[in-house]
Amino acid sequence: QQQVKQSPQSLIVQKGGISIINCAYENTAFDYFPWYQQFPGKGPALLIAIRPDVSEKKEGRFTISFNKSAKQFSLHIMDSQPGDSATYFCAASRNAGNMLTFGGGTRLMVKP
Amino acid sequence: DAGVIQSPRHEVTEMGQEVTLRCKPISGHNSLFWYRQTMMRGLELLIYFNNNVPIDDSGMPEDRFSAKMPNASFSTLKIQPSEPRDSAVYFCASIVTGTYGYTFGSGTRLTVV
Repeated sequence: QQQVKQSPQSLIVQKGGISIINCAYENTAFDYFPWYQQFPGKGPALLIAIRPDVSEKKEGRFTISFNKSAKQFSLHIMDSQPGDSATYFCAASRNAGNMLTFGGGTRLMVKP
Repeated sequence: DAGVIQSPRHEVTEMGQEVTLRCKPISGHNSLFWYRQTMMRGLELLIYFNNNVPIDDSGMPEDRFSAKMPNASFSTLKIQPSEPRDSAVYFCASIVTGTYGYTFGSGTRLTVV
């Protein structure tokens, strides 16, 4: 049973545009929601994360929006750059240091 | 810090052979996770250890898979006998228990022919 659903599977954005990736979860016990960025041949790397006590977190061009009642969260990449082209995974876990459940991934391509 | 180190980076083996994947977690990290990544199934947790003790191995697909963590600085994932459907990228990740934010290794790309 997939507990974290991610969409879209792929996304093409023009340079300077906004990339938006969405995730929905089922388990209300989740209390940590990270986003990972993965380049070809590399392992996933933590990009940004949020806890359910806040509705938004921003780090540079990356913003997570979190809607606890809808059990949804999203990643917004402002001013998207070709260097942002990668696969993005949302994830969720219950309690610190516990296993992560990943979404299916979104392959982002930013066209110059 | 050298990060999480996995070896080998690539492994090509014939069906039926034994395969051993290795992982060295970040020093001081006491939780270790093995994930498998495929196009069809994405990132799946296979097993994780806390203080060298296996906590949850429910993701291990079948008895052909086994994992060990003999000490805090080393873990292995063994497949015996290997099958073509085991072809995937296997990732190891580590973390300090009670904190957030895994660090992943660069993975081992396994191809079973």
